[in-house]
Amino acid sequence: AQSVTQLDSQVPVFEEAPVELRCNYSSSVSVYLFWYVQYPNQGLQLLLKYLSGSTLVKGINGFEAEFNKSQTSFHLRKPSVHISDTAEYFCAVSDLSSGSARQLTFGSGTQLTVLP
Amino acid sequence: DTAVSQTPKYLVTQMGNDKSIKCEQNLGHDTMYWYKQDSKKFLKIMFSYNNKELIINETVPNRFSPKSPDKAHLNLHINSLELGDSAVYFCASSQSGGAGGQFFGPGTRLTVL
Repeated sequence: AQSVTQLDSQVPVFEEAPVELRCNYSSSVSVYLFWYVQYPNQGLQLLLKYLSGSTLVKGINGFEAEFNKSQTSFHLRKPSVHISDTAEYFCAVSDLSSGSARQLTFGSGTQLTVLP
Repeated sequence: DTAVSQTPKYLVTQMGNDKSIKCEQNLGHDTMYWYKQDSKKFLKIMFSYNNKELIINETVPNRFSPKSPDKAHLNLHINSLELGDSAVYFCASSQSGGAGGQFFGPGTRLTVL
């Protein structure tokens, strides 16, 4: 079984500042890793994903994440945030042993609030 | 051109009632899911269907019954609603293998009074 820990439940940051949202995972097998964003009263939108290959992955809206196998981490970063980035961010993991239906295990979420 | 749609968006009902939530995807995916998001925003898988076959069935009360009439639809029926069922329910879909990620619907906010 896998698990995901998002170390910060809330991250306030000023507009145009950089931000890092932290995610650590635990799994006994290889995994796929994902970051999703949820704007208020909306569904989840896929930001980016790591499947294999290059450990630095780029996603939508200027976000990127780096997979670190030795530290079992997949931290999300953005060099300069905007007010519109205010949302809840979820890290998720899917292990490669779960057959045709890839069950996603989500972290508890990080509320990013961008201040003017 | 909504990719994953759910109806209704809001559902307010009394304890003991039976209700259904419908989900449809037009992405051509063969796997669909139901997730429950509680008041603390924690997301947990409930069910998954692949090509109309139940694949994942987490520890969910028997009062919850999913039905997949075809690959593009996955409905959730809930009998004898309880206060604790109040939550946001999300439908999602993906291709087999899930490498492309899962695509989520807008959610159905269920309130049981």
